[in-house]
Amino acid sequence: GESVGLHLPTLSVQEGDNSIINCAYSNSASDYFIWYKQESGKGPQFIIDIRSNMDKRQGQRVTVLLNKTVKHLSLQIAATQPGDSAVYFCAENLRTALIFGKGTTLSVSS
Amino acid sequence: DAMVIQNPRYQVTQFGKPVTLSCSQTLNHNVMYWYQQKSSQAPKLLFHYYDKDFNNEADTPDNFQSRRPNTSFCFLDIRSPGLGDAAMYLCATSRDQAGGPDTQYFGPGTRLTVL
Repeated sequence: GESVGLHLPTLSVQEGDNSIINCAYSNSASDYFIWYKQESGKGPQFIIDIRSNMDKRQGQRVTVLLNKTVKHLSLQIAATQPGDSAVYFCAENLRTALIFGKGTTLSVSS
Repeated sequence: DAMVIQNPRYQVTQFGKPVTLSCSQTLNHNVMYWYQQKSSQAPKLLFHYYDKDFNNEADTPDNFQSRRPNTSFCFLDIRSPGLGDAAMYLCATSRDQAGGPDTQYFGPGTRLTVL
């Protein structure tokens, strides 16, 4: 699998690899985090969320890890498929606002 | 299926000509949001309604207004569109903000072109 230590705008992987997308959030008071997938010309689609009292949550082929000490969030996608190609955004909930991080464009080649 | 619907999907307007974008939801959510997303950027919150209570972000230009006549519908009005307002406009809903943070569900967006 391929991973990135800090946020990078693009990530290219081969089909079947594991992908790791990283995100740094800004506010230690944020209590809820969401990963969204956005395909070209479409609205963001919910993937997985995690609350601040957890450090890991798993879904179908996806895992989110939260490290509050360094304010870091990651999304792991297992066995990446061509249909996973999209822009991925992390978002942090601070009071009433959802603040989006910079997106990462994931490209999956067959 | 319950969903967030935006109309039209594509809107072309002329510089300075008022335009209204529409959002409706069948989720019966209390909160509705409008975001602006420019090319290759993250969505940026413009304002939101918690029920009938309007909440404007501090840096949202006065040129942008919103109306929510009932639970299901919310409109974005751009009074005098400029070239810099060309963007994707996203509507989102969440169930209940007062009870704590909640997932936001997005519509497909309206892409606005200003000529």
